[in-house]
Amino acid sequence: NAGVTQTPKFQVLKTGQSMTLQCAQDMNHEYMSWYRQDPGMGLRLIHYSVGAGITDQGEVPNGYNVSRSTTEDFPLRLLSAAPSQTSVYFCASSYQGGGDGYTFGSGTRLTVV
Amino acid sequence: SQQGEEDPQALSIQEGENATMNCSYKTSINNLQWYRQNSGRGLVHLILIRSNEREKHSGRLRVTLDTSKKSSSLLITASRAADTASYFCATEGDSGYSTLTFGKGTMLLVSP
Repeated sequence: NAGVTQTPKFQVLKTGQSMTLQCAQDMNHEYMSWYRQDPGMGLRLIHYSVGAGITDQGEVPNGYNVSRSTTEDFPLRLLSAAPSQTSVYFCASSYQGGGDGYTFGSGTRLTVV
Repeated sequence: SQQGEEDPQALSIQEGENATMNCSYKTSINNLQWYRQNSGRGLVHLILIRSNEREKHSGRLRVTLDTSKKSSSLLITASRAADTASYFCATEGDSGYSTLTFGKGTMLLVSP
């Protein structure tokens, strides 16, 4: 099992550009989430999904879009990148109810210039 | 908004000593989880304690939960240099869908 795979690992964008951060899991987890981590801020929830076709907003959803067409994939789209979106992004997945904890990807470090 | 708040923000100890980190939270929870993050890496799930549990052990880890005080502690016994990392508590709410709310973390440095 590969677990949770995030690509790319590093990305530099210019202000106004758009891009998609990829997240895939091979554990048949129902729940998937996107977090951003900023220095001294812990992790903040951007969007989450409880199953294919179902998504919802987290704490900091503005400027981001998600879709969940399959159980395995949960891409995060930056619509028009801004310097405030410079951060490390983590994707996570779990079984329904999260009873075994969440499995995290290794992260995407994004810089917007 | 942040749910959990860890204390202390940073902790420096010697190998062999015990490390205790505390977490406070604000709202009712279904469970509380602890994660470790090595520098530049993703988070690794350590242990989960449910709201109806008071104490849980896993190897050198001991977690306690006091729902009346909305607080939890993580004890790492006989620390090793490899335990150097940031530790985060995360709470799962007791209503609706399962999402985690994280605290800001405790940075633990274990010196040889």
